[in-house]
Amino acid sequence: EPEVTQTPSHQVTQMGQEVILRCVPISNHLYFYWYRQILGQKVEFLVSFYNNEISEKSEIFDDQFSVERPDGSNFTLKIRSTKLEDSAMYFCASSQTGQGAGGYTFGSGTRLTVV
Amino acid sequence: DQQVKQNSPSLSVQEGRISILNCDYTNSMFDYFLWYKKYPAEGPTFLISISSIKDKNEDGRFTVFLNKSAKHLSLHIVPSQPGDSAVYFCAATLASGTYKYIFGTGTRLKVLA
Repeated sequence: EPEVTQTPSHQVTQMGQEVILRCVPISNHLYFYWYRQILGQKVEFLVSFYNNEISEKSEIFDDQFSVERPDGSNFTLKIRSTKLEDSAMYFCASSQTGQGAGGYTFGSGTRLTVV
Repeated sequence: DQQVKQNSPSLSVQEGRISILNCDYTNSMFDYFLWYKKYPAEGPTFLISISSIKDKNEDGRFTVFLNKSAKHLSLHIVPSQPGDSAVYFCAATLASGTYKYIFGTGTRLKVLA
């Protein structure tokens, strides 16, 4: 079954450093998403991406965050200057249609630890 | 901003019995609801969904019920199996005009053999 692949599975970074989280969505999917889950809290929407541009973002997704689809397969989330509170599990997801009703396929996540 | 709430953080059920997971929402504009299952070290996996124009949707052992007047939905798993032990998240969205899901905090289900 097609899957969304995320790398690395775990990343530890120093506060203030830049990190790039990588995702390979399902090949025929057109819509891409990032969510995060801070330990013990709910899964929160960060951003959606379609046709090479951000289609929607949450208030969490401030200027420190950016997304990019640098080639035909990868989808990345960059955090420019990490803070302690950025420590969380980051999930990438993709879907064929943009309608929220369709159900996404999530990756296994990248655990980001900021020290 | 808790638009979607799962008030039971955990639930234990004997194998073979029914598991009932509950979810409440506050935003009456939501018109599509989903349940996801999550195992440790994995991403959420889509289980079942329901449109607000329905009150029930069934898929094998999984049935989702929606009570719009009460702003409440529930997931029934019958019969429960040990492999169902996971964290279950409900999520809500609009059928169009948005790309995001609003998730609840999850309920950890443990099915005892």
